[in-house]
Amino acid sequence: SSELTQDPAVSVALGQTVRITCQGDSLRSYYASWYQQKPGQAPVLVIYGKNNRPSGIPDRFSGSSSGNTASLTITGAQAEDEADYYCNSRDSSGNPSFGGGTKLTVL
Amino acid sequence: QVQLQESGPGLVKPSQTLSLTCTVSGGSISSGGYYWSWIRQHPGKGLEWIGYIYYSGSTYYNPSLKSRVTISVDTSKNQFSLKLSSVTAADTAVYYCARGRTYNAFDIWGQGTMVTVSS
Repeated sequence: SSELTQDPAVSVALGQTVRITCQGDSLRSYYASWYQQKPGQAPVLVIYGKNNRPSGIPDRFSGSSSGNTASLTITGAQAEDEADYYCNSRDSSGNPSFGGGTKLTVL
Repeated sequence: QVQLQESGPGLVKPSQTLSLTCTVSGGSISSGGYYWSWIRQHPGKGLEWIGYIYYSGSTYYNPSLKSRVTISVDTSKNQFSLKLSSVTAADTAVYYCARGRTYNAFDIWGQGTMVTVSS
């Protein structure tokens, strides 16, 4: 089982704000990165570091962290944001580790 | 821009060795600061880090797979490769190659290749 815990599913009304969280002790020491994965596609990096967006990622995506919890916030969710979201950081041995993923439904 | 592309057999027999190659285009695999990674995803499941290699050849593997995994790099071909030995049906998955960078980020991914282990 993953050392990073995510809620399996979250829903949000179109245009509203949603926060997807990732919990784990390693997050007290390491930044999390966040990935969006749509069916049949490879994951796409959306947030990394303190709150950095790769080129091409809309600014409605933002990241934050407090204690053992990292969060991905989508402000003004769009229909195209419906996807699985994975967090990634390090495990207790310092190896990369992914959370179990959160399925986001946009209503 | 840098792109990654996986290649290799889509079907492997049980107990045999799974071999995949990732070709890097649009940039040099010898560029410092990146770690060239393999990640897999079992059908309908989450992502699992397999391991990565620096251009220098240093490797790091998931402890749960370490005894069966070898990742190597061929800088002359701008490729890195994965070998997973003694495969079983539990190794059936989509295998991705990805570029890792600072802040625990995998910023570029291949499209993924489905590998089925079956006789």
